[in-house]
Amino acid sequence: ETGVTQTPRHLVMGMTNKKSLKCEQHLGHNAMYWYKQSAKKPLELMFVYNFKEQTENNSVPSRFSPECPNSSHLFLHLHTLQPEDSALYLCASSGQTNTGELFFGEGSRLTVL
Amino acid sequence: AQRVTQPEKLLSVFKGAPVELKCNYSYSGSPELFWYVQYSRQRLQLLLRHISRESIKGFTADLNKGETSFHLKKPFAQEEDSAMYYCALSPANSGGSNYKLTFGKGTLLTVNP
Repeated sequence: ETGVTQTPRHLVMGMTNKKSLKCEQHLGHNAMYWYKQSAKKPLELMFVYNFKEQTENNSVPSRFSPECPNSSHLFLHLHTLQPEDSALYLCASSGQTNTGELFFGEGSRLTVL
Repeated sequence: AQRVTQPEKLLSVFKGAPVELKCNYSYSGSPELFWYVQYSRQRLQLLLRHISRESIKGFTADLNKGETSFHLKKPFAQEEDSAMYYCALSPANSGGSNYKLTFGKGTLLTVNP
């Protein structure tokens, strides 16, 4: 499969659960991103990884824990979330063409009960 | 801090009419500006960037540094232009393939037949 793939597409979890979101890109890109999209708010940048190294943490609470084992895979580990964390989590990647073009996945819709 | 404002949540026009989606930004340095679009049931994708000065699908956008604006325009709207449009800003030369895009809240454009 080409492009940016996110799994699961939908996730419902309780506040005490531990779950993970997965993102995979087959575009040969070296930068990967997590964005959060809540209702009535703009897309919020959460984390940026470049060549597996985290280069940006946008003051994200520690209950969100990213992991980037290689340039093609990005995870977002979730634990003890709050209902206000319910949102669409978008993964994106970009390459070295310096165009500013981010390639987005379809998102993982998270509901925290 | 960088900020992107899209004052219109919703914009409705008739087919063949001109359309302008407004975007204003605040950033102390030299920005790069982008328009991203999300069609129904599709993922978010780049429409155009100010540096390339291209017309994409009939859309153009001019960066006006004096007014700190980057409005998106099309002289004759088509029904297939109906989508969610997001204006985004990145610091210029933010680092090779590693972009830190700040998005506006988006404008939902509906083109009526």
